[in-house]
Amino acid sequence: KAGVTQTPRYLIKTRGQQVTLSCSPISGHRSVSWYQQTPGQGLQFLFEYFSETQRNKGNFPGRFSGRQFSNSRSEMNVSTLELGDSALYLCASSNQGFGNEKLFFGSGTQLSVL
Amino acid sequence: GENVEQHPSTLSVQEGDSAVIKCTYSDSASNYFPWYKQELGKRPQLIIDIRSNVGEKKDQRIAVTLNKTAKHFSLHITETQPEDSAVYFCAADGGNEKLTFGTGTRLTIIP
Repeated sequence: KAGVTQTPRYLIKTRGQQVTLSCSPISGHRSVSWYQQTPGQGLQFLFEYFSETQRNKGNFPGRFSGRQFSNSRSEMNVSTLELGDSALYLCASSNQGFGNEKLFFGSGTQLSVL
Repeated sequence: GENVEQHPSTLSVQEGDSAVIKCTYSDSASNYFPWYKQELGKRPQLIIDIRSNVGEKKDQRIAVTLNKTAKHFSLHITETQPEDSAVYFCAADGGNEKLTFGTGTRLTIIP
């Protein structure tokens, strides 16, 4: 099986712009969750989608949003970018999306906001 | 919600020695405690996990212990090798909802 695929691998944007990141889960996995990784802050949960529905949401502002398509692929959007949004954004897929399942991570999208 | 604290943030050990990373959690409903390893420039990968009905689990040189009463769990790596150098993250499931991760421990093995 192919692993979790994230595109693009790198992005450079300027403040005020918006960005869309994509995540294709492992075939058969219906849950996709998104994490923001910054030095010293670890992996901070953004949101989780299961069968096209957002099931859980972390403590991020409304500028961060996402969606999931019928083929389980997911996109994450960040509007009105701020310098502090610079981070590695990881997505992870699992079968049912419950907290006690193994997560399979993608390689991430490194976002730099200038 | 669940809160996970992880210590230390950095750890350096001589090759062949043991390394211990500790985590505490806040939600007594948590039942699942995985550990992920992230090598430099790579994606996090699950290395071991433990569920609340077990106090200890081993997999070759890696072991995890869980104390539900004290709400803490630890990762033990014995006979460390250079390939063990990585960032390690602990996590707790907050009662089967979503994983909350610790802030990570950067482990460096000194040859």
